Amino acid sequence: NAGVTQTPKFQVLKTGQSMTLQCAQDMNHEYMSWYRQDPGMGLRLIHYSVGAGITDQGEVPNGYNVSRSTTEDFPLRLLSAAPSQTSVYFCASSPSRDRQETQYFGPGTRLLVL
Amino acid sequence: GDSVTQMEGPVTLSEEAFLTINCTYTATGYPSLFWYVQYPGEGLQLLLKATKADDKGSNKGFEATYRKETTSFHLEKGSVQVSDSAVYFCALVNRDDKIIFGKGTRLHILP
Repeated sequence: NAGVTQTPKFQVLKTGQSMTLQCAQDMNHEYMSWYRQDPGMGLRLIHYSVGAGITDQGEVPNGYNVSRSTTEDFPLRLLSAAPSQTSVYFCASSPSRDRQETQYFGPGTRLLVL
Repeated sequence: GDSVTQMEGPVTLSEEAFLTINCTYTATGYPSLFWYVQYPGEGLQLLLKATKADDKGSNKGFEATYRKETTSFHLEKGSVQVSDSAVYFCALVNRDDKIIFGKGTRLHILP
C-alpha cells in the first residue's frame, strides 16, 4: 500500500492563480480531510469528507473548494490564491470518523503564494 | 469549546535524558486522546493513543496515561535518542467526532 499520497510536493503561485492539490489513498478509507499547518498555529481543518459525494467545511474553509467523486481521491482547489494561503497542506484519511480511529497523513504540499 | 494545550517548545535535551511533554485538554465527556509525531519533511504519524480513562498508550519507548481527574495526557520517555528529534502533537477526538490538535512541541535532542 502506498498509503496517502499528495502531489505536488512544492508549488509556487502568483496571487490570483488557481490550482488543485491532489490527494489519494489506497486503503479504502471513508473519511478524508485537508489541513493547513502554519507556524505557531498547529493544524487547522479546511474541509473533510465522510464518503464519496459528501463533503463539509472545517475550521478555515474560505478560499478552498473540495469534491469527493471517488473513495480514493480528495482534491483541494484554491480558487484565487492569496499570500495568506502560503502554508503546508496535509491530506489525511481514516477508516471512518469514529473517535477511536487513527488518522493517516500524506507527506504534505508546501505552497508559496507570491 | 474543546481545546488542547501543550507545552511550548522548543525543548532541547541531551541524548539519554528523560523526556516529558505536557498536554492538557478541555472537553465534555470522554474524548479519545492521541500523540502524533512529525519528523522533518514528513507528515504526521500516530505515536500512541488512549481511548478511555486510565488507559496507557505506549510505542517506541514513549508512554502517556489518560488522566481524567487532571484532564492530562503527558508524553514521557525514559531515555531519548537523537532520532527522536521531531515535532510532537497532542490531539483529542471529542464526542462530536471532531479532531482537535494542539499547536505542537518541537523537540531537539543533542548527541
